[in-house]
Amino acid sequence: AQSVTQLGSHVSVSEGALVLLRCNYSSSVPPYLFWYVQYPNQGLQLLLKYTTGATLVKGINGFEAEFKKSETSFHLTKPSAHMSDAAEYFCAVSGSGSRLTFGEGTQLTVNP
Amino acid sequence: DAGVIQSPRHEVTEMGQEVTLRCKPISGHDYLFWYRQTMMRGLELLIYFNNNVPIDDSGMPEDRFSAKMPNASFSTLKIQPSEPRDSAVYFCASSLWRGGLETQYFGPGTRLLVL
Repeated sequence: AQSVTQLGSHVSVSEGALVLLRCNYSSSVPPYLFWYVQYPNQGLQLLLKYTTGATLVKGINGFEAEFKKSETSFHLTKPSAHMSDAAEYFCAVSGSGSRLTFGEGTQLTVNP
Repeated sequence: DAGVIQSPRHEVTEMGQEVTLRCKPISGHDYLFWYRQTMMRGLELLIYFNNNVPIDDSGMPEDRFSAKMPNASFSTLKIQPSEPRDSAVYFCASSLWRGGLETQYFGPGTRLLVL
């Protein structure tokens, strides 16, 4: 069975500051991990995913995430926040039969 | 590719009416998912199909909800009768099986309001 916990339902940062969104997972098998972003009134869009190999994964819009097996974490970071990054972010783990288990989401606010 | 297409984008109906939501997955994808998103419950998986066959409908809230996939390019989610608590955004997503590596591609959603 798989599960995802996103720490912090709301995160607020200043424009230009570091973005850190936390995700911890539980999986009975080696996990495939995903970050999705949802802009207002839109569907979810893939930011990045970890499958195997390099543990630091780079995605779109300057985001990256690092898979840490020992910590069962897959935190999302961006060095410098932009106003356009304001959105809701979902961490997900791949389960059986192509099914994804999503976290509860983290709403990111970027202040000018 | 046009991506996942959902219709209608917005639906307002009265309690007791039948509502049908439609989805066209990305051509060639073999998995289709229906999700519901609300403020209270977040993103919930309702049902998913593989090669047009329902695999897991454990997320369907009750018998008022039904979903079909008559062919690889079309799926419906029906609510009959609708209730105010069904108000939510309903997303359809599709993917192509790659042993768990696949990305789910989401449609823009249908925003349903039941009065």
